[in-house]
Amino acid sequence: QQPVQSPQAVILREGEDAVINCSSSKALYSVHWYRQKHGEAPVFLMILLKGGEQKGHEKISASFNEKKQQSSLYLTASQLSYSGTYFCGSPLYADGLTFGKGTHLIIQP
Amino acid sequence: ETGVTQTPRHLVMGMTNKKSLKCEQHLGHNAMYWYKQSAKKPLELMFVYSLEERVENNSVPSRFSPECPNSSHLFLHLHTLQPEDSALYLCASSQELNYGYTFGSGTRLTVV
Repeated sequence: QQPVQSPQAVILREGEDAVINCSSSKALYSVHWYRQKHGEAPVFLMILLKGGEQKGHEKISASFNEKKQQSSLYLTASQLSYSGTYFCGSPLYADGLTFGKGTHLIIQP
Repeated sequence: ETGVTQTPRHLVMGMTNKKSLKCEQHLGHNAMYWYKQSAKKPLELMFVYSLEERVENNSVPSRFSPECPNSSHLFLHLHTLQPEDSALYLCASSQELNYGYTFGSGTRLTVV
């Protein structure tokens, strides 16, 4: 079982906020977030290692609720450059990340 | 070069061919990974190497054979593939297991 991401897709106007959720039926010991633009490699955004941890840089931040086995990615005042597919991943079964199916984010001017 | 480099960028092969994908990282990382990305199953973990030793084989068919001769290089040897193996194959590395990954640009494989 892979992490479940929601929503599957979201369309925003530039300047609007977005929240992407990642949950798992298995315990999450850490959560990674990546962004992949069309035709490019996924790019690492951040990793959350402890329950209750929050991280962020500029207008992209994330939280990790270990008890609820979920993480959320927050994009504030979205910019056109934020468009892409966002993946969460976690070492659910062994070494190596198991990724969710991704959330497609489209930012319109 | 810096980062993670994959070659070739595109590959078309017949079902009876043998080919190899190459990945090289210039980051001094100790862990390397192969992932398969297709429309049906995004980012499927295939193999994990830590300090040149395979630590994970995620139930991958034997027609895919990985090789890690040193901590900077990772290969994926392919033989007698099926059309459903057509996908983007991504290599990644991380400083240690389960640290943040740096991905290569991938090899787009088409099996005909």
